[in-house]
Amino acid sequence: ETGVTQTPRHLVMGMTNKKSLKCEQHLGHNAMYWYKQSAKKPLELMFVYNFKEQTENNSVPSRFSPECPNSSHLFLHLHTLQPEDSALYLCASSQDRTAMNTEAFFGQGTRLTVV
Amino acid sequence: DAKTTQPNSMESNEEEPVHLPCNHSTISGTDYIHWYRQLPSQGPEYVIHGLTSNVNNRMASLAIAEDRKSSTLILHRATLRDAAVYYCILMEVWGDMRFGAGTRLTVKP
Repeated sequence: ETGVTQTPRHLVMGMTNKKSLKCEQHLGHNAMYWYKQSAKKPLELMFVYNFKEQTENNSVPSRFSPECPNSSHLFLHLHTLQPEDSALYLCASSQDRTAMNTEAFFGQGTRLTVV
Repeated sequence: DAKTTQPNSMESNEEEPVHLPCNHSTISGTDYIHWYRQLPSQGPEYVIHGLTSNVNNRMASLAIAEDRKSSTLILHRATLRDAAVYYCILMEVWGDMRFGAGTRLTVKP
């Protein structure tokens, strides 16, 4: 148990569906991150929020829409996805973006399959 | 972004020490060296980090070269549970954790 909880753990969705991934942490952290890990590939940083403000969007397609209503919760809204979007989506949190001397905590991930 | 270079894979025997190398020749004076590992079907987990001095914790030791252009993660006695992908990451000011391919460690019984 890392203190970062992701739901659901597994998700199968059609290309026309709309779904959301949820991430929650109660570690008192102010930075939260979404990563994508496709099969046999390194983790790709998608979005970064620091004190609820989005500070990074790594050229992610608009069919992925993040939301950070407060420092404890992070969502990834999904719509009209493609089969190549099937991957493990990981959420992480850290004290804040300037805290290089502290560790980040990751959730277990959501395994997404787009059919 | 600062870059790191790690071997793609390494093997170790159970209960023997493992030395996982990382090169980071472009490191700047304020970059921290972090190590994470990812067990199968799990998210990455923190292992250890340091700036200039060698560091020890319950999981591992981190040896940092004097010029800081390389570092080595040391697992003192590898167990089967240590089989994972190990990532060496440089943390910059206002930087974010960006992962490379890492080193896949196989532990043989």
